[in-house]
Amino acid sequence: AAGVIQSPRHLIKEKRETATLKCYPIPRHDTVYWYQQGPGQDPQFLISFYEKMQSDKGSIPDRFSAQQFSDYHSELNMSSLELGDSALYFCASSLVSVINEQFFGPGTRLTVL
Amino acid sequence: GDSVTQMEGPVTLSEEAFLTINCTYTATGYPSLFWYVQYPGEGLQLLLKATKADDKGSNKGFEATYRKETTSFHLEKGSVQVSDSAVYFCALRDPNEKLTFGTGTRLTIIP
Repeated sequence: AAGVIQSPRHLIKEKRETATLKCYPIPRHDTVYWYQQGPGQDPQFLISFYEKMQSDKGSIPDRFSAQQFSDYHSELNMSSLELGDSALYFCASSLVSVINEQFFGPGTRLTVL
Repeated sequence: GDSVTQMEGPVTLSEEAFLTINCTYTATGYPSLFWYVQYPGEGLQLLLKATKADDKGSNKGFEATYRKETTSFHLEKGSVQVSDSAVYFCALRDPNEKLTFGTGTRLTIIP
């Protein structure tokens, strides 16, 4: 079965650079969630989208923005990167009306030097 | 706000030992509860879930029961295997579908 796809899997950036992370949900899923997991930390909710509209917002810095496109894929844009942004970024998808479960992608490991 | 308190690790057990990882939660209303597992270098995988009081989730020999009276969702397995070595996260889901995770418990099983 198709799973959530995230790209790239690994990304290395310098401080103050920008990064774009992409998430392709499971086909027919209408909701995407982004989580940030720092080293040795639990995943923290950043933001979610339902039917291309932002549905909830967590501890997402103002330097970050995200959107969901017409094909339901989502992109997390990160600007003015800081060392503390180094983390594993997970995307999850669900079909809210039907499935009582979020399916997670493998994550993108971002390293800021 | 919502929160999940999870048994601190790391936990090291011998193969075939009994496992309990404690999890309690604080939430308004009646959230759905989950256990996720993260193997080294991999993403989060749903292990089991329960959506209402007294529900028991089970998968791969793991079980957890939604206890509203004690606001708990402890994870148990009767006989662990080396392949169960991973980090386990307890989580709750609020009405907006957002997941709140516990701090994770690293489990190591030695042969």
